[in-house]
Amino acid sequence: GAGVSQTPSNKVTEKGKYVELRCDPISGHTALYWYRQSLGQGPEFLIYFQGTGAADDSGLPNDRFFAVRPEGSVSTLKIQRTERGDSAVYLCASSLTGQVEETQYFGPGTRLLVL
Amino acid sequence: RKEVEQDPGPFNVPEGATVAFNCTYSNSASQSFFWYRQDCRKEPKLLMSVYSSGNEDGRFTAQLNRASQYISLLIRDSKLSDSATYLCVVNPDSSYKLIFGSGTRLLVRP
Repeated sequence: GAGVSQTPSNKVTEKGKYVELRCDPISGHTALYWYRQSLGQGPEFLIYFQGTGAADDSGLPNDRFFAVRPEGSVSTLKIQRTERGDSAVYLCASSLTGQVEETQYFGPGTRLLVL
Repeated sequence: RKEVEQDPGPFNVPEGATVAFNCTYSNSASQSFFWYRQDCRKEPKLLMSVYSSGNEDGRFTAQLNRASQYISLLIRDSKLSDSATYLCVVNPDSSYKLIFGSGTRLLVRP
């Protein structure tokens, strides 16, 4: 079956611009996660959705970052006034219900480069 | 101190070698542990979960030492296709949130 998909695969933008990154989770998965991976580092948790609601957004670095999942499926991560330090790979993952023992399946990521 | 620490490597080994990676974690209350594999410019994929009793999956063996707060991964009879970055992952509070180490890079040469 189809895995987690993310678009665009690459995004180049200029400092100060607004960007949207999209995640389409595995069908039927209610739990959705966003992570950010900088070069040479492991992924860092940003936000977790259970259904339509953001159950935990404690990993969002500041108020320039926002994410939505209005219908409980596709999610969009939005970054306002981008900074060069936002350059990273943004990974989305999903799992069936969000239980601890479930595997989180990752998408291929969006590589964001802020010039 | 990072919550999960790993030797970044790279570990450069010949085909057929046995190689072991260790990882330490800081939160003694952590409950779940995993090894993920990440190929270059690809997404992380679950390699195996790590159980208190230790577990084995083919050429891969994972061990957990709660007293010393470290996790290990042993790869026997290394293959060229094992070349990747191995991420140690801890679930610190039995929730959905995964804490990743920075990864250990393995290069298996012919």
